[in-house]
Amino acid sequence: DTGVSQDPRHKITKRGQNVTFRCDPISEHNRLYWYRQTLGQGPEFLTYFQNEAQLEKSRLLSDRFSAERPKGSFSTLEIQRTEQGDSAMYLCASSFGRGGQDTQYFGPGTRLTVL
Amino acid sequence: EDQVTQSPEALRLQEGESSSLNCSYTVSGLRGLFWYRQDPGKGPEFLFTLYSAGEEKEKERLKATLTKKESFLHITAPKPEDSATYLCASPGPQGGSEKLVFGKGTKLTVNP
Repeated sequence: DTGVSQDPRHKITKRGQNVTFRCDPISEHNRLYWYRQTLGQGPEFLTYFQNEAQLEKSRLLSDRFSAERPKGSFSTLEIQRTEQGDSAMYLCASSFGRGGQDTQYFGPGTRLTVL
Repeated sequence: EDQVTQSPEALRLQEGESSSLNCSYTVSGLRGLFWYRQDPGKGPEFLFTLYSAGEEKEKERLKATLTKKESFLHITAPKPEDSATYLCASPGPQGGSEKLVFGKGTKLTVNP
């Protein structure tokens, strides 16, 4: 399978705990995106990397959220001191940026439940 | 602020009953209008990209069209397996953000 992969697929945690999610993009893609989706809503943008550089962050991304893409390949999204409002599907997407808009391909998502 | 609005929120069809989903956008300098399909508990699956008014793309029973202010996803003779949420999205204008702004989606149910 050469699509975007995410791990874990599901995570249940208690309020106040830290969680980390991983995303492996399509191998030749240099752009990687994180989105969050709650029930009945479309995905909302969180942050975006081109290679290892984090180029854009949404104001939705509070100080408790941090994302990295250390070698321009896989990425991690960490949420510290989780809150019940963090419960959502966290989606990763990747694209092959050629300037201009290119197609973002999504992974299966990580479903986070904060108790 | 750039916005994408989809209607209706939900649509129930009988198998074989054709219909259309609407996506209106307020992005200036459109750099593409994207359609995705999303099944419950899964990530969005790319369907189409449209770049200019008058453009049309087809895939099986789906056809996407684009005008200057909106896009339509036409579903011809749908089958139960077409049941899903259909999302449209658009990036910001040229030189702006690379993020996609999504609508809330249309949940399509096709009954046998």
